[in-house]
This record gives sequence, C-alpha cells and structure tokens, in this order.
Amino acid sequence: DAKTTQPPSMDCAEGRAANLPCNHSTISGNEYVYWYRQIHSQGPQYIIHGLKNNETNEMASLIITEDRKSSTLILPHATLRDTAVYYCIVRVGVNAGGTSYGKLTFGQGTILTVHP
Amino acid sequence: DSGVTQTPKHLITATGQRVTLRCSPRSGDLSVYWYQQSLDQGLQFLIQYYNGEERAKGNILERFSAQQFPDLHSELNLSSLELGDSALYFCASSVEGGGATDTQYFGPGTRLTVL
Repeated sequence: DAKTTQPPSMDCAEGRAANLPCNHSTISGNEYVYWYRQIHSQGPQYIIHGLKNNETNEMASLIITEDRKSSTLILPHATLRDTAVYYCIVRVGVNAGGTSYGKLTFGQGTILTVHP
Repeated sequence: DSGVTQTPKHLITATGQRVTLRCSPRSGDLSVYWYQQSLDQGLQFLIQYYNGEERAKGNILERFSAQQFPDLHSELNLSSLELGDSALYFCASSVEGGGATDTQYFGPGTRLTVL
C-alpha cells in the first residue's frame, strides 16, 4: 500500500475553510485517494475519493496535485461538528494474490479541532 | 446513519470467555469487512467476506473467526479472550468485492471490554 503522511493536528476557526494536506509520494497510477473521518469513537465516515481530477460533493472538495503525490481535503465552512480525526488513505484495489482485496489501511490521521 | 448496523453496542466479559459480534450490511451490499481499533494499534483490518466467501485476511488472530451467512449478515467470533482484545470492533460493507472504487461504509461499532 502506498504510504500517506498527514500532520498530526490542525486547528480551524468555525466558519472558515479547513484545508487538510496529505502526502502520498509513492502512489501508483491506478490507486485512488480516499478520505474518511472519525468523530470521537464513532465508526469512520466516508467523505470523498478521487483518482486525479478534483472532486467535490456535499461534504467536501478534494484537490489532487497533477503529479498525484499529494492532495488536500477542503471543508469549505467548518463547523464545530467537523471536529474529528481525518484519515487520508490510498486505496489498493483487487489484488491477484488475494490478500489486498478492498482493505483500507488507516494511518494516524489528522486531528482537526474547530474552534468557536 | 450509514445503514450498517452492529450489535451489541457494548460488551463486557471476562478473560477466557467467547463472544459473538454481529453485523448487518447495507441493503444490497455483498461485502462485509471487520476492523479492530485499539488504543495502541489504531484501526486495523481483520477480514473480508464477499457473498458468503472469505475474500481477504488481515491481522486476524487464530482465536478469532468470522462468517457471512446467506442473508449476508456477518458474525465475528472472539474466543479465549485476553485483556488485550479490549477494543472497538467495526464492521463495514460495500457493494462489490473490494475494487478501488468500491466505497466502504462503516457501522457504529461494538465496544468490547475484557476484564
């Protein structure tokens, strides 16, 4: 699995954009970048994923650099409820060896704290 | 609400005992995944089932086993429990067998405490 590097923690003011960076310099051409978050001890929540184009959904935007070695998750107007651990994951798909089907490899993530 | 349900929410038991955790995937999803989250190891993949068959294995102990039933719900069995098995256990489901765009949706988890 391609390794990801994220800052351990970040702060953001409520109402401002939160920009969470992720480095994945060893990513392969067919690997996707996924973002999940975990609020307190709840189950991880899917946010967004992308391959090489920028993506946007109702929760966030994902900006992937042209060389695909890094990406940024953007929460456009952060609220207190966005305080969570955010995980950037490079996704390995189906593996002919049968050992990598679908698994998600979670790192330590970034603890985002949104302040009033 | 992801649509994935897990029972029970909390489980407290003693060392040496056996427990069963249950997961119902989202309607239409064929794959079920089990993950363990402990304080020192973080979130770790245990095992995946796809349409009733084991698909992939991660760091699952021999004392642990799982199965997926014809109605696609899954159970994770943990036996000869040790203090170190205390953790959050999450189930996730996805539509297909785990391709790169086969998004996983997680349940709320079961908190297991071994005393």
